[in-house]
Amino acid sequence: GAGVSQSPSNKVTEKGKDVELRCDPISGHTALYWYRQRLGQGLEFLIYFQGNSAPDKSGLPSDRFSAERTGESVSTLTIQRTQQEDSAVYLCASSLGSRSYNEQFFGPGTRLTVL
Amino acid sequence: AQSVTQLGSHVSVSEGALVLLRCNYSSSVPPYLFWYVQYPNQGLQLLLKYTTGATLVKGINGFEAEFKKSETSFHLTKPSAHMSDAAEYFCAVSGVGAGNMLTFGGGTRLMVKP
Repeated sequence: GAGVSQSPSNKVTEKGKDVELRCDPISGHTALYWYRQRLGQGLEFLIYFQGNSAPDKSGLPSDRFSAERTGESVSTLTIQRTQQEDSAVYLCASSLGSRSYNEQFFGPGTRLTVL
Repeated sequence: AQSVTQLGSHVSVSEGALVLLRCNYSSSVPPYLFWYVQYPNQGLQLLLKYTTGATLVKGINGFEAEFKKSETSFHLTKPSAHMSDAAEYFCAVSGVGAGNMLTFGGGTRLMVKP
């Protein structure tokens, strides 16, 4: 069956440019999560959606980061005026619900490189 | 606040040897604990999880982990390493209340020598 997909798989951009990263969750999954994985580090939580609302944005590192979700479908993470420290792999995950026992299924990630 | 510590960013074992990857957590409430594996150029895959009940949890590919509340640990083991086990392993604890965001450890890269 189809898993979580993300696009693009790789993105190279120049400092100061805006980028959009896309996540397609598993059909029927109401919860969607964005994480960031910097080189040699674990994953950092960014934001999660329950449906199309985002109850917890506490992980977004700055106001240059924003995300939206259309219904219980596609989500877009936007980074404005990119900085070199934004270089990382951005991972998306979805789950049936947002309870602690719900397994999160991860996409392959988008590798962002800011020159 | 929750945190996860994985001792050893790199672990090397010989094929057929015991695999032990360490994970300690801090949590103000009874935790749900997870181990994920990440193969090169792939997304994270759930190996196993502890929610409630039996403290010894069996997962895929012959891995298991034991929740020890007194030691705040959730170490991952496999009796006999296989070359295909070479990957990065992440321990995680789930969030408190609604949301279920995961807090991850820094990861341990497992290398298996022939």
